[in-house]
Amino acid sequence: GDSVTQMEGPVTLSEEAFLTINCTYTATGYPSLFWYVQYPGEGLQLLLKATKADDKGSNKGFEATYRKETTSFHLEKGSVQVSDSAVYFCALTEKTSGSRLTFGEGTQLTVNP
Amino acid sequence: DTAVSQTPKYLVTQMGNDKSIKCEQNLGHDTMYWYKQDSKKFLKIMFSYNNKELIINETVPNRFSPKSPDKAHLNLHINSLELGDSAVYFCASSQGETSAYNEQFFGPGTRLTVL
Repeated sequence: GDSVTQMEGPVTLSEEAFLTINCTYTATGYPSLFWYVQYPGEGLQLLLKATKADDKGSNKGFEATYRKETTSFHLEKGSVQVSDSAVYFCALTEKTSGSRLTFGEGTQLTVNP
Repeated sequence: DTAVSQTPKYLVTQMGNDKSIKCEQNLGHDTMYWYKQDSKKFLKIMFSYNNKELIINETVPNRFSPKSPDKAHLNLHINSLELGDSAVYFCASSQGETSAYNEQFFGPGTRLTVL
């Protein structure tokens, strides 16, 4: 079945540091890939997405590139802010799996001033 | 206006009780979901309904029963609550099958604590 593996957290950075959160996936077909963000006490919000190989999703300074050859979708941001502190989830969906989203374990990011 | 809303936001109850969580979406979507997030933040789908019909039913104890009275509502009823049911439950909705073009929108979550 499908699965998503994220780097273990928590991750603690200083403001303006570079962020990478690794995500790799296993899928039977050709999935669509997502990053969701969960701010404290809130539900999940879609951060960015990509549908095919070499697509780059971007939003709010975050980027991730769909790498089919390495089955990866790593999240990056050049300069994090305190307001980026949240839990980040990598996820995928496949046509063969109906409407389900398969999530990674989530990575807690804390950015200190 | 809140797109996907859940009630209650917090639910504290005793083992063995029966409780319900309600979800409503005003996005006009035809597909709704329930997810469970455990204490380690791991999210797993429980159920999915499309046009009031059950389309995903993961390996969930039959103490959990979803009910969709109409396309805009998907409620979750839990019988004989156990300690292990303590979690945050998220409702979500999408228009049709989830894809990069049909985003899932999530509610704020319901934190269930079973004592």
